[in-house]
Amino acid sequence: EAGVAQSPRYKIIEKRQSVAFWCNPISGHATLYWYQQILGQGPKLLIQFQNNGVVDDSQLPKDRFSAERLKGVDSTLKIQPAKLEDSAVYLCASSLEGLERDGYTFGSGTRLTVV
Amino acid sequence: AQSVAQPEDQVNVAEGNPLTVKCTYSVSGNPYLFWYVQYPNRGLQFLLKYITGDNLVKGSYGFEAEFNKSQTSFHLKKPSALVSDSALYFCAVRYNQAGTALIFGKGTTLSVSS
Repeated sequence: EAGVAQSPRYKIIEKRQSVAFWCNPISGHATLYWYQQILGQGPKLLIQFQNNGVVDDSQLPKDRFSAERLKGVDSTLKIQPAKLEDSAVYLCASSLEGLERDGYTFGSGTRLTVV
Repeated sequence: AQSVAQPEDQVNVAEGNPLTVKCTYSVSGNPYLFWYVQYPNRGLQFLLKYITGDNLVKGSYGFEAEFNKSQTSFHLKKPSALVSDSALYFCAVRYNQAGTALIFGKGTTLSVSS
Protein backbone atom coordinates (compact mmCIF):
# COMPACT_ATOMS: atom_id res chain seq x y z
CA GLU A 1 0.00 0.00 0.00
CA ALA A 2 1.11 3.54 -0.62
CA GLY A 3 2.42 5.44 2.37
CA VAL A 4 1.51 8.83 3.77
CA ALA A 5 2.41 11.50 1.24
CA GLN A 6 3.51 14.98 2.26
CA SER A 7 4.54 18.01 0.28
CA PRO A 8 6.60 20.02 -0.05
CA ARG A 9 9.67 18.28 1.41
CA TYR A 10 11.40 21.54 2.19
CA LYS A 11 10.28 25.15 2.55
CA ILE A 12 12.17 28.30 3.42
CA ILE A 13 10.20 31.46 4.16
CA GLU A 14 10.75 34.77 5.84
CA LYS A 15 9.13 35.53 9.16
CA ARG A 16 5.62 36.97 8.91
CA GLN A 17 5.03 35.14 5.63
CA SER A 18 2.46 32.39 5.32
CA VAL A 19 3.00 28.74 4.36
CA ALA A 20 0.89 25.65 3.80
CA PHE A 21 1.67 21.97 4.01
CA TRP A 22 -0.28 19.14 2.44
CA CYS A 23 -0.82 15.57 3.55
CA ASN A 24 -2.46 12.62 1.81
CA PRO A 25 -2.97 9.75 4.27
CA ILE A 26 -3.14 6.06 3.54
CA SER A 27 -6.34 5.21 1.72
CA GLY A 28 -9.12 4.35 4.15
CA HIS A 29 -7.39 5.72 7.21
CA ALA A 30 -9.95 7.72 9.13
CA THR A 31 -7.61 9.30 11.65
CA LEU A 32 -5.01 11.87 10.67
CA TYR A 33 -2.45 13.59 12.87
CA TRP A 34 -0.17 16.58 12.43
CA TYR A 35 2.95 16.65 14.59
CA GLN A 36 5.60 19.34 14.97
CA GLN A 37 9.17 18.15 15.54
CA ILE A 38 11.59 20.87 16.59
CA LEU A 39 15.26 20.01 16.30
CA GLY A 40 16.41 18.07 19.35
CA GLN A 41 12.90 17.33 20.54
CA GLY A 42 10.36 14.58 20.08
CA PRO A 43 7.32 15.11 17.87
CA LYS A 44 4.53 17.09 19.49
CA LEU A 45 0.91 16.65 18.49
CA LEU A 46 -0.63 19.72 16.92
CA ILE A 47 -4.00 18.41 15.80
CA GLN A 48 -5.87 15.14 15.33
CA PHE A 49 -8.73 14.55 12.89
CA GLN A 50 -11.25 11.72 12.84
CA ASN A 51 -12.63 11.79 9.29
CA ASN A 52 -13.24 15.51 8.77
CA GLY A 53 -13.84 16.36 12.43
CA VAL A 54 -11.30 17.66 14.92
CA VAL A 55 -10.67 15.31 17.87
CA ASP A 56 -7.89 17.23 19.62
CA ASP A 57 -6.40 20.62 18.77
CA SER A 58 -5.48 21.64 22.31
CA GLN A 59 -1.82 22.20 21.41
CA LEU A 60 -2.40 24.02 18.14
CA PRO A 61 -1.42 27.73 18.36
CA LYS A 62 -4.70 28.88 16.91
CA ASP A 63 -3.66 32.50 16.56
CA ARG A 64 -1.36 31.51 13.70
CA PHE A 65 -1.92 27.85 12.86
CA SER A 66 -4.94 26.36 11.14
CA ALA A 67 -5.71 22.96 9.68
CA GLU A 68 -8.50 21.43 7.74
CA ARG A 69 -9.56 18.09 6.34
CA LEU A 70 -12.63 19.03 4.38
CA LYS A 71 -13.53 15.73 2.74
CA GLY A 72 -12.06 13.44 5.36
CA VAL A 73 -9.10 12.52 3.17
CA ASP A 74 -6.36 15.08 2.40
CA SER A 75 -5.38 17.64 4.98
CA THR A 76 -3.71 21.04 4.88
CA LEU A 77 -1.82 22.73 7.71
CA LYS A 78 -1.28 26.48 7.44
CA ILE A 79 0.85 28.94 9.34
CA GLN A 80 0.12 32.64 9.06
CA PRO A 81 2.15 34.60 9.97
CA ALA A 82 5.20 32.46 10.56
CA LYS A 83 7.65 33.08 13.40
CA LEU A 84 11.27 32.02 13.72
CA GLU A 85 10.32 29.45 16.36
CA ASP A 86 8.07 27.67 13.85
CA SER A 87 11.18 26.26 12.18
CA ALA A 88 10.66 22.52 12.51
CA VAL A 89 9.74 19.37 10.67
CA TYR A 90 5.98 18.95 10.29
CA LEU A 91 4.99 15.30 10.26
CA CYS A 92 1.69 13.88 9.14
CA ALA A 93 0.53 10.44 10.28
CA SER A 94 -2.56 8.36 9.75
CA SER A 95 -4.20 5.36 11.37
CA LEU A 96 -7.18 3.20 10.54
CA GLU A 97 -9.78 4.37 13.02
CA GLY A 98 -8.18 5.73 16.17
CA LEU A 99 -8.64 2.36 17.76
CA GLU A 100 -5.57 1.33 15.88
CA ARG A 101 -3.22 -0.38 18.30
CA ASP A 102 -0.41 -0.58 15.83
CA GLY A 103 2.09 2.13 15.25
CA TYR A 104 0.76 4.90 13.12
CA THR A 105 2.23 5.42 9.67
CA PHE A 106 4.19 8.62 9.29
CA GLY A 107 5.03 10.60 6.21
CA SER A 108 8.56 11.84 5.52
CA GLY A 109 7.68 15.29 6.77
CA THR A 110 8.07 18.88 5.59
CA ARG A 111 11.11 20.72 6.87
CA LEU A 112 10.26 24.37 7.42
CA THR A 113 12.93 27.01 7.91
CA VAL A 114 11.81 30.49 8.90
CA VAL A 115 14.46 33.18 8.41
CA ALA B 1 -1.38 13.40 32.07
CA GLN B 2 0.60 10.90 30.13
CA SER B 3 4.31 11.43 29.52
CA VAL B 4 7.43 9.67 28.36
CA ALA B 5 11.02 10.17 29.52
CA GLN B 6 14.15 9.15 27.69
CA PRO B 7 16.90 9.95 30.18
CA GLU B 8 19.83 9.64 27.78
CA ASP B 9 20.41 12.10 24.95
CA GLN B 10 22.99 9.79 23.40
CA VAL B 11 24.06 6.17 23.72
CA ASN B 12 27.40 5.01 22.34
CA VAL B 13 28.19 1.34 21.77
CA ALA B 14 30.72 -0.64 19.80
CA GLU B 15 29.57 -2.84 16.96
CA GLY B 16 28.79 -6.33 18.16
CA ASN B 17 28.06 -5.25 21.71
CA PRO B 18 24.58 -5.29 23.23
CA LEU B 19 22.70 -2.02 23.35
CA THR B 20 20.01 -0.60 25.59
CA VAL B 21 18.04 2.59 25.06
CA LYS B 22 16.03 3.56 28.12
CA CYS B 23 12.44 4.72 28.36
CA THR B 24 10.12 5.33 31.30
CA TYR B 25 6.51 6.36 31.09
CA SER B 26 3.72 7.84 33.14
CA VAL B 27 0.12 7.06 32.20
CA SER B 28 -2.98 6.05 34.07
CA GLY B 29 -4.31 2.62 33.31
CA ASN B 30 -2.67 0.16 30.98
CA PRO B 31 -0.49 1.86 28.38
CA TYR B 32 0.21 1.13 24.78
CA LEU B 33 3.97 1.58 24.27
CA PHE B 34 5.91 2.02 21.06
CA TRP B 35 9.42 2.47 19.75
CA TYR B 36 10.16 4.35 16.55
CA VAL B 37 13.43 4.99 14.71
CA GLN B 38 14.28 8.01 12.61
CA TYR B 39 17.10 8.16 10.09
CA PRO B 40 18.34 11.53 8.79
CA ASN B 41 15.82 13.26 6.52
CA ARG B 42 13.41 10.38 6.89
CA GLY B 43 10.09 9.95 8.63
CA LEU B 44 9.51 7.90 11.73
CA GLN B 45 9.62 4.15 11.25
CA PHE B 46 7.76 1.79 13.56
CA LEU B 47 9.98 -0.74 15.37
CA LEU B 48 7.79 -2.50 17.89
CA LYS B 49 4.92 -2.13 20.32
CA TYR B 50 3.62 -3.46 23.61
CA ILE B 51 -0.13 -3.78 23.97
CA THR B 52 -0.65 -6.69 26.32
CA GLY B 53 0.70 -10.16 27.02
CA ASP B 54 4.34 -11.19 27.11
CA ASN B 55 6.52 -8.51 28.64
CA LEU B 56 9.27 -9.11 26.09
CA VAL B 57 8.26 -7.96 22.64
CA LYS B 58 10.24 -8.50 19.47
CA GLY B 59 10.29 -6.09 16.59
CA SER B 60 12.00 -5.17 13.38
CA TYR B 61 15.75 -5.44 12.67
CA GLY B 62 16.45 -7.67 15.67
CA PHE B 63 15.27 -5.15 18.26
CA GLU B 64 13.28 -6.11 21.31
CA ALA B 65 11.87 -4.28 24.30
CA GLU B 66 10.97 -5.31 27.80
CA PHE B 67 7.87 -3.93 29.49
CA ASN B 68 8.27 -3.58 33.26
CA LYS B 69 5.07 -2.41 34.90
CA SER B 70 6.50 -2.00 38.40
CA GLN B 71 9.29 0.22 37.13
CA THR B 72 7.10 1.84 34.44
CA SER B 73 9.83 1.20 31.91
CA PHE B 74 10.00 0.01 28.33
CA HIS B 75 13.69 -0.23 27.44
CA LEU B 76 14.76 -0.99 23.89
CA LYS B 77 17.42 -3.67 23.47
CA LYS B 78 19.43 -5.48 20.85
CA PRO B 79 21.90 -8.31 21.57
CA SER B 80 24.46 -7.25 18.98
CA ALA B 81 24.60 -3.71 17.60
CA LEU B 82 25.31 -2.85 13.97
CA VAL B 83 26.79 0.37 12.61
CA SER B 84 23.62 0.69 10.55
CA ASP B 85 21.59 0.89 13.78
CA SER B 86 22.97 4.40 14.32
CA ALA B 87 19.92 6.66 14.32
CA LEU B 88 17.52 8.62 16.52
CA TYR B 89 15.16 6.49 18.61
CA PHE B 90 11.87 7.61 20.09
CA CYS B 91 9.75 5.98 22.74
CA ALA B 92 6.02 6.78 22.65
CA VAL B 93 2.96 6.04 24.75
CA ARG B 94 -0.77 6.34 24.34
CA TYR B 95 -3.82 5.54 26.37
CA ASN B 96 -5.58 2.26 25.62
CA GLN B 97 -8.55 4.34 24.64
CA ALA B 98 -9.95 4.98 21.22
CA GLY B 99 -9.03 8.24 19.61
CA THR B 100 -5.95 9.16 21.58
CA ALA B 101 -2.70 10.23 20.00
CA LEU B 102 0.86 9.14 20.63
CA ILE B 103 2.98 11.11 23.09
CA PHE B 104 6.69 10.98 22.29
CA GLY B 105 9.82 11.22 24.35
CA LYS B 106 12.55 13.63 23.31
CA GLY B 107 14.59 10.95 21.60
CA THR B 108 17.92 9.21 22.10
CA THR B 109 20.68 9.25 19.53
CA LEU B 110 22.29 5.86 19.16
CA SER B 111 25.84 5.84 17.80
CA VAL B 112 27.41 2.49 16.95
CA SER B 113 31.13 2.56 16.22
CA SER B 114 32.98 0.02 14.11
